[in-house]
Amino acid sequence: SQQGEEDPQALSIQEGENATMNCSYKTSINNLQWYRQNSGRGLVHLILIRSNEREKHSGRLRVTLDTSKKSSSLLITASRAADTASYFCATVLSGAGSYQLTFGKGTKLSVIP
Amino acid sequence: DAGITQSPRHKVTETGTPVTLRCHQTENHRYMYWYRQDPGHGLRLIHYSYGVKDTDKGEVSDGYSVSRSKTEDFLLTLESATSSQTSVYFCAISDREASADTQYFGPGTRLTVL
Repeated sequence: SQQGEEDPQALSIQEGENATMNCSYKTSINNLQWYRQNSGRGLVHLILIRSNEREKHSGRLRVTLDTSKKSSSLLITASRAADTASYFCATVLSGAGSYQLTFGKGTKLSVIP
Repeated sequence: DAGITQSPRHKVTETGTPVTLRCHQTENHRYMYWYRQDPGHGLRLIHYSYGVKDTDKGEVSDGYSVSRSKTEDFLLTLESATSSQTSVYFCAISDREASADTQYFGPGTRLTVL
């Protein structure tokens, strides 16, 4: 069963706008990770946020984590056409299962030039 | 793709035939993973390895077996392929367990079972 669920499933914005994607999960986690997948390619890691962290930044990316609500958000600022891709959140469960990443179904982002 | 190759990249096979997919890494990472990606399901873990000859099942392991005789190679075998195993298969590697590290993905293998 899916641990993480992204919302929305699809998002279309104009270049230069900000894009926000959300991820909800069900059980306690060790960390949460965001990945990007360009069409026909493998996944690329974007950012990892641990359960004791609330916010992380990496370039134009900002990730927040609210463990009380079991949710995370990924914000891409000043989007570019090259940001067009699918974005996945993945969780690592606390305790047993630390070997495993559990992925959501993804948000498909389209950035229109 | 972080020194990860998958072979073949595309394969078409018939129901009932055995199929082996290979993942090869040049990073000397300890952990290796096989996922499948299907529309509407995201990525699901099939099997993973935490060292040479050390493997374990993931979420969707039925119908699949794996082997890891060398650090750099992780093989995924479909003993008797079925149409439900038509999918895109991704290999991933990490230097430490998922609780401490990110994973690096290969380019994928598109498998079609007729």
